[in-house]
Amino acid sequence: GENVEQHPSTLSVQEGDSAVIKCTYSDSASNYFPWYKQELGKGPQLIIDIRSNVGEKKDQRIAVTLNKTAKHFSLHITETQPEDSAVYFCAALRGDSSYKLIFGSGTRLLVRP
Amino acid sequence: NAGVTQTPKFRILKIGQSMTLQCTQDMNHNYMYWYRQDPGMGLKLIYYSVGAGITDKGEVPNGYNVSRSTTEDFPLRLELAAPSQTSVYFCASSRHPAVGTGELFFGEGSRLTVL
Repeated sequence: GENVEQHPSTLSVQEGDSAVIKCTYSDSASNYFPWYKQELGKGPQLIIDIRSNVGEKKDQRIAVTLNKTAKHFSLHITETQPEDSAVYFCAALRGDSSYKLIFGSGTRLLVRP
Repeated sequence: NAGVTQTPKFRILKIGQSMTLQCTQDMNHNYMYWYRQDPGMGLKLIYYSVGAGITDKGEVPNGYNVSRSTTEDFPLRLELAAPSQTSVYFCASSRHPAVGTGELFFGEGSRLTVL
């Protein structure tokens, strides 16, 4: 089955700096890659996603890149702010009928004021 | 619009007890999921459902059961609670995950402790 590995497990950056979180997946049939943000005591919320027919997608300060050949994708946050502090999860979904969204182990991001 | 509602938010169980975590959604989503989240770990899929009357196993189904008699409700049952089932449980729902954004809408979680 699908396996998603996520690095780093923790990341501390100064406010205004950029943050990059990387994920690799094992199943070449995966074709949908979302990123979720989880704030303390809450459920995860989708922040950006990308499908396998696209190499990069941006939404204001957040961008995701996908390299299908290498089977890895990354989340980039620019001009980080304290409210970006949270746990971030990547995930991968197979395009077949299984519809199992498999998550990485999460990255705890701390943005220091 | 309530979204996905889980109950209870907190529960302490003794080893061997049984309980049901309730989940309901009001977005008319066909797809529903149960995940567990252990400290320092990601979300592990327990069971999921693609519509009323249809359920399937995820990554970690052992020790759990589900049913889907209606589109709105997707309860998760623990039959013989074990300490290994101490975790935070999240229910989620979505439209067809391969269409549109594929976004999962999560509930706020149910923290279960088995002693």
